[in-house]
Amino acid sequence: NAGVTQTPKFQVLKTGQSMTLQCAQDMNHNSMYWYRQDPGMGLRLIYYSASEGTTDKGEVPNGYNVSRLNKREFSLRLESAAPSQTSVYFCASSVTGGSGNTIYFGEGSWLTVV
Amino acid sequence: GQQLNQSPQSMFIQEGEDVSMNCTSSSIFNTWLWYKQDPGEGPVLLIALYKAGELTSNGRLTAQFGTTRKDSFLNISASIPSDVGIYFCAGQLGGGAQKLVFGQGTRLTINP
Repeated sequence: NAGVTQTPKFQVLKTGQSMTLQCAQDMNHNSMYWYRQDPGMGLRLIYYSASEGTTDKGEVPNGYNVSRLNKREFSLRLESAAPSQTSVYFCASSVTGGSGNTIYFGEGSWLTVV
Repeated sequence: GQQLNQSPQSMFIQEGEDVSMNCTSSSIFNTWLWYKQDPGEGPVLLIALYKAGELTSNGRLTAQFGTTRKDSFLNISASIPSDVGIYFCAGQLGGGAQKLVFGQGTRLTINP
């Protein structure tokens, strides 16, 4: 029962470095999401993919790119990391058009940019 | 971006006490949800509410969808140590899950 799996769990980057956060789900969900969580800010949507082959910007997309590699996998890339991108990142998936009661979150990736 | 105002931001209580938290919004929602995030984990859905005035329980947890559709409340009765974590409210006005708007979270700490 893996659900939503994201890697790595922890990462420290230097300013300007690039990295990719990987996410995979085994629930046959069509929609996938990337959120960031900052203290006092709740969860904010970075990008989402309503279905395989499509991606759309969320609330805070600047500085990020995404790739929906296939139905299972949705990656988030930081091309040139900045300290403001220090955060906890959550991948999630849901049925197509599903409401919040169908969304499942991964365990999170803690990213620190120094 | 739009956010929900969730309060309190943190709570420090004794084991066995009851807990109350709420979320308010300037916009109406069709769905209110409450999630719990354990330390080092992702949020997990606790309760979903779909109708104004609805009152729904999940064990010791009870949540209500405000009649104005702009607020929701979560109560935890007789708290136990495993209730520790961050509780998030979220509102949704139609559309897919990408339309979810999250509150800032309430961090609950329990003293045994």
